[in-house]
Amino acid sequence: GNSVTQMEGPVTLSEEAFLTINCTYTATGYPSLFWYVQYPGEGLQLLLKATKADDKGSNKGFEATYRKETTSFHLEKGSVQVSDSAVYFCALSDRGGGADGLTFGKGTHLIIQP
Amino acid sequence: SAVISQKPSRDICQRGTSLTIQCQVDSQVTMMFWYRQQPGQSLTLIATANQGSEATYESGFVIDKFPISRPNLTFSTLTVSNMSPEDSSIYLCSVKFDLTNEKLFFGSGTQLSVL
Repeated sequence: GNSVTQMEGPVTLSEEAFLTINCTYTATGYPSLFWYVQYPGEGLQLLLKATKADDKGSNKGFEATYRKETTSFHLEKGSVQVSDSAVYFCALSDRGGGADGLTFGKGTHLIIQP
Repeated sequence: SAVISQKPSRDICQRGTSLTIQCQVDSQVTMMFWYRQQPGQSLTLIATANQGSEATYESGFVIDKFPISRPNLTFSTLTVSNMSPEDSSIYLCSVKFDLTNEKLFFGSGTQLSVL
């Protein structure tokens, strides 16, 4: 079956540091890949997505590239801010047609210190 | 986007009782889903709420334990029946607005603790 594996948290960084949160997946076919973010006290919201190999999703300074050869979708940001502190979830959609839910990783808690 | 309201936001319940969680969207949506997020675990899809018919459950989840209703395009309920401490979790409603867009929108969740 489908699965998503994320690096364990919490990840603690200083402001302006470079961020990488690793995500790898197992899926049949050609999944779409997503990063969702949950800020403290709020619901999950889509951060970025990529729908095919070599696509790069980007939003709010975050980027992730769909790497089919390594089945990865690592999240990166060049200079993090305190406001980026949140829980980040990697997810995939494999069954297509838009009619199904997503498979999520366990989430990575990111803490940015001033 | 839309406003997705979930009620209650949290509850503490006794073993053996049932709790119904409501999800209300302020506009019509195509798909509605219910997820569970157990402590330290990923979000797990419980079921797809189908309008006017029985929900479609994922492996490991059954209707007797998690009955779901979806009477229209903006509202759904999830009931957690005959609760045990293992049901302590965050329950999340999520929606899709159309089948051409895989983006999910989430409610803020219901944090359930079972004593």
